[in-house]
Amino acid sequence: NAGVMQNPRHLVRRRGQEARLRCSPMKGHSHVYWYRQLPEEGLKFMVYLQKENIIDESGMPKERFSAEFPKEGPSILRIQQVVRGDSAAYFCASLPGTHDEQFFGPGTRLTVL
Amino acid sequence: AQKITQTQPGMFVQEKEAVTLDCTYDTSDQSYGLFWYKQPSSGEMIFLIYQGSYDEQNATEGRYSLNFQKARKSANLVISASQLGDSAMYFCAMREGREYGNKLVFGAGTILRVKS
Repeated sequence: NAGVMQNPRHLVRRRGQEARLRCSPMKGHSHVYWYRQLPEEGLKFMVYLQKENIIDESGMPKERFSAEFPKEGPSILRIQQVVRGDSAAYFCASLPGTHDEQFFGPGTRLTVL
Repeated sequence: AQKITQTQPGMFVQEKEAVTLDCTYDTSDQSYGLFWYKQPSSGEMIFLIYQGSYDEQNATEGRYSLNFQKARKSANLVISASQLGDSAMYFCAMREGREYGNKLVFGAGTILRVKS
């Protein structure tokens, strides 16, 4: 059973470009979380999605950030018009709904030049 | 207010000795869960151990144990017989409520260095 997959693992963008981060949850998991880890800090919650629904987006910046989890395919975290302050590691985690552990992907490290 | 506090930015331990990483939390919920994750230099998040607020026994997983003191709101991680591979960042996290869908709140982390 493959773990949570994230791609790309590393992403470099120039200021003003768009970043798309993908997360494929573990097989059978229909819950996905996105967290952001700024340098030298702990992870901070961004958004919680179930298939085709955003359940909690209280941690998402109000502008430029959006997330989706379509019926088919991976969850996407999209950052428009990136700025240097968006440079961070972005982790997704999935949950089967029957256990307490959130299974984390390896993360995508975004660098904005 | 901080919900999860890890007061030790960095710790050193001699190989084969035990080490305790501190974590205190703040919640008004009666039902919650506490987690520890390890983040090595490669960056992935590795789940170590979980303690539910209603669990009467302290959680143990191999060399990891969680010293849960509910009245003090502390959930310290104890690593016994430290190994060089234990050198990493360690995060304490909390999920409030019984719903599995509730988000995790993380502390700032403790860097552990194991000396040979």
